[in-house]
Order: sequence, then structure tokens, then C-alpha cells
Amino acid sequence: SAVISQKPSRDICQRGTSLTIQCQVDSQVTMMFWYRQQPGQSLTLIATANQGSEATYESGFVIDKFPISRPNLTFSTLTVSNMSPEDSSIYLCSVATSTDTQYFGPGTRLTVL
Amino acid sequence: GESVGLHLPTLSVQEGDNSIINCAYSNSASDYFIWYKQESGKGPQFIIDIRSNMDKRQGQRVTVLLNKTVKHLSLQIAATQPGDSAVYFCAENARDDKIIFGKGTRLHILP
Repeated sequence: SAVISQKPSRDICQRGTSLTIQCQVDSQVTMMFWYRQQPGQSLTLIATANQGSEATYESGFVIDKFPISRPNLTFSTLTVSNMSPEDSSIYLCSVATSTDTQYFGPGTRLTVL
Repeated sequence: GESVGLHLPTLSVQEGDNSIINCAYSNSASDYFIWYKQESGKGPQFIIDIRSNMDKRQGQRVTVLLNKTVKHLSLQIAATQPGDSAVYFCAENARDDKIIFGKGTRLHILP
């Protein structure tokens, strides 16, 4: 399985600001994804991060709010823009290998005041 | 997939007993299923998977059963240990590389 790291591990931010979360994988992977996990709830897919092209967003998530970059096969960023308290969540990146299985990073715990 | 609930159902099991965690899925086109374990403050950890051409798969102390007729998935943990305390999620992949998560079950181990 791939080893995935995320930065920062947690942050406390003021409303109206933006935070960029980084995801680094120790090997080249075909697919990278970003999820949100609100307190006490399950994981919801935000978008698929595509290498060299625009991310594919799920219903309810838009590029202006959650811009995503994926400059290469081992790195991606998710920005949470113009934050409000409702954006307080854990944000997780995951990667898919050739076997369809997805492996997850440790998550970034975001609190918006 | 399942809708997200406001709270997680909890299963309490005596240490040493077997645990059975159940999950219902809704998409009959799903052909790949995964169980994840999420400990507090960590990301989901892969436990075991199964494809739709199988009805049972065993790992170390864990077994996954798939009943496609009723769209039901279960995870059995043998001889439950304190380290098994976590939230367990089932997830399904309906052939489009996207994984849909179930709402999760919190497993609580009684001493």
C-alpha cells in the first residue's frame, strides 16, 4: 500500500480566510481523491484530482470553493476558500492503486472560528 | 450508498467474543466492496475487500461476507481485542473508481 502524508495535520482558521492542504504520496498513483468528513459522520467525496487537468467535482462541491491542483502523480493540494464555520471538518486525501483499493492519508482537522 | 446519519450506531462486544458488523448497500451495479477501520484522530485504514464474484473472503481474524441477493455486507472479527475499538465503514465501488461510504458503526469493546 502507498504511504500518504498530509499537511497541515490540523489548523484553526478565521472565517473568510483560505487554507491549502497538501497531500504527498511515496509512489506514483493513478487516481487521487479528496474527501470531507464532518464531525461524527461518514466520508463524502469532494472531487477526483486529475493530473494535468481540472478536477472532477461531485454534486454540491464547486471549484471556486474547493480549488484542487495535481501537478504530478505524487502530489495534490486542496484549498478551502472563504471559509465559514460550516467548513469545519476533517479533510482527507486518498489514492487508488491499480487494484481499485483506495488508501487514505491521516487527514487534516480544520476548525473555522 | 447509504445516507449519512447524524450519529453512529454502536456495537458493544465483550473482549474475546466475535464481532459482526453489518452494512446494506443500495447500488446493484457495485462490484467491489471494502471495509475500513477508523481510529480516533486517524484516516480510514483498509481492512479487507471483496469482489462481487465472491461471497466470502477471509483475512487475519477478519471475514467479509457478501450477499448480493439482499445487497448486504458483513464484517466478522474473531476474538475481539481492545485494539479493535474504532469506527468501521463499509464502502462500495460501482465501476467508476468512486467509492461511496456507508454511515459507519462504532465498535466498543467491553473489558
